[in-house]
Amino acid sequence: NAGVTQTPKFRVLKTGQSMTLLCAQDMNHEYMYWYRQDPGMGLRLIHYSVGEGTTAKGEVPDGYNVSRLKKQNFLLGLESAAPSQTSVYFCASSYSRLAGGNEQFFGPGTRLTVL
Amino acid sequence: SQQGEEDPQALSIQEGENATMNCSYKTSINNLQWYRQNSGRGLVHLILIRSNEREKHSGRLRVTLDTSKKSSSLLITASRAADTASYFCATDAGHGNKLVFGAGTILRVKS
Repeated sequence: NAGVTQTPKFRVLKTGQSMTLLCAQDMNHEYMYWYRQDPGMGLRLIHYSVGEGTTAKGEVPDGYNVSRLKKQNFLLGLESAAPSQTSVYFCASSYSRLAGGNEQFFGPGTRLTVL
Repeated sequence: SQQGEEDPQALSIQEGENATMNCSYKTSINNLQWYRQNSGRGLVHLILIRSNEREKHSGRLRVTLDTSKKSSSLLITASRAADTASYFCATDAGHGNKLVFGAGTILRVKS
């Protein structure tokens, strides 16, 4: 099993450009999450999904959109990138609480720089 | 806003010594989790302690939880150079297994 994978690993954007980060998991997890990590800080939740076709806002959703069209994929979009979105982005997944899931499984991260 | 706050921010010890990291949080929780992050990598789950538990062990890890003080501690015994990493506590308080992370403790184990 590959676990949680993220594409791309690195990206440099100019202010105003758009891009999509892809997260894929092969563990049949119901829940998926997008976080950002900035220097000296822990992870902050951007958006999350509790199932295919559903998404919800996290702590810092502004400037981002997400979609969960397939259970195994969770896409994070930046419509008009800003320098404040320079960060490392992590995707994670977990089983549903009903299935006894609590721990989250993380991908390796995407390092994004916005110039 | 971050729910958990780790203390200390950084810790440097010799191989073989014990390392203790503390986490405080603000609101009621379902469970508290500890994760490790090696430099440039994603987070790896270490241990979970539920709100009705007071202590939990996993190998060289010992976690305690005091819900009355809203605090937890992670003890790593007989540390190794490979334990060098950042350690984060994360609290689960509600819907969707959402976690709120602290800022982390950077642990350096010198060989």
